[in-house]
Amino acid sequence: AQTVTQSQPEMSVQEAETVTLSCTYDTSENNYYLFWYKQPPSRQMILVIRQEAYKQQNATENRFSVNFQKAAKSFSLKISDSQLGDTAMYFCAFGLAFVTFGKGTHLIIQP
Amino acid sequence: KAGVTQTPRYLIKTRGQQVTLSCSPISGHRSVSWYQQTPGQGLQFLFEYFSETQRNKGNFPGRFSGRQFSNSRSEMNVSTLELGDSALYLCASSADSGRRNTIYFGEGSWLTVV
Repeated sequence: AQTVTQSQPEMSVQEAETVTLSCTYDTSENNYYLFWYKQPPSRQMILVIRQEAYKQQNATENRFSVNFQKAAKSFSLKISDSQLGDTAMYFCAFGLAFVTFGKGTHLIIQP
Repeated sequence: KAGVTQTPRYLIKTRGQQVTLSCSPISGHRSVSWYQQTPGQGLQFLFEYFSETQRNKGNFPGRFSGRQFSNSRSEMNVSTLELGDSALYLCASSADSGRRNTIYFGEGSWLTVV
């Protein structure tokens, strides 16, 4: 079974700073997808970014980028120029037959 | 394009009762997945339906069941409710099933069991 580990339960940074959220996963598969989802206080889960395992190039979406290290089974999320609206739970997820989620990192952006 | 719609949004049930939650996927999406979210266990996969067939199932007791209709709408049912079933139940839809999934979530159904 696939597992996803997020080792940082909570992080807090100042507005405009850059923050990196960590994620590791365990799988014996070679072709899979990885995701970061954001869950603000409204509890609506929002897709932030997606990475296909067969692509070496790291995915980027505006201020959000990932560092995908396939051999190390690591998939970190970098948020640049953080904004107050980035305050949320962030979930790393692994997609194969279905999507498996980590426990989440609560990110707080301080004004 | 309308998003994933879940009903009801909030409900309170008594131990021993049963509950049915409904999910309408994004138009054109044929796969529907259900997740249970609790503070202690996080997001746990319940099951996935694709073209009216259950494709995958998580590690939940048989009290949790689901189905999907020909229009891709899905329902999940929990029978003989227990206090521990109190949770946010999230439905997600995707165009296809399997590893190419990008799943899109609804706003969830908050279930409180008293």
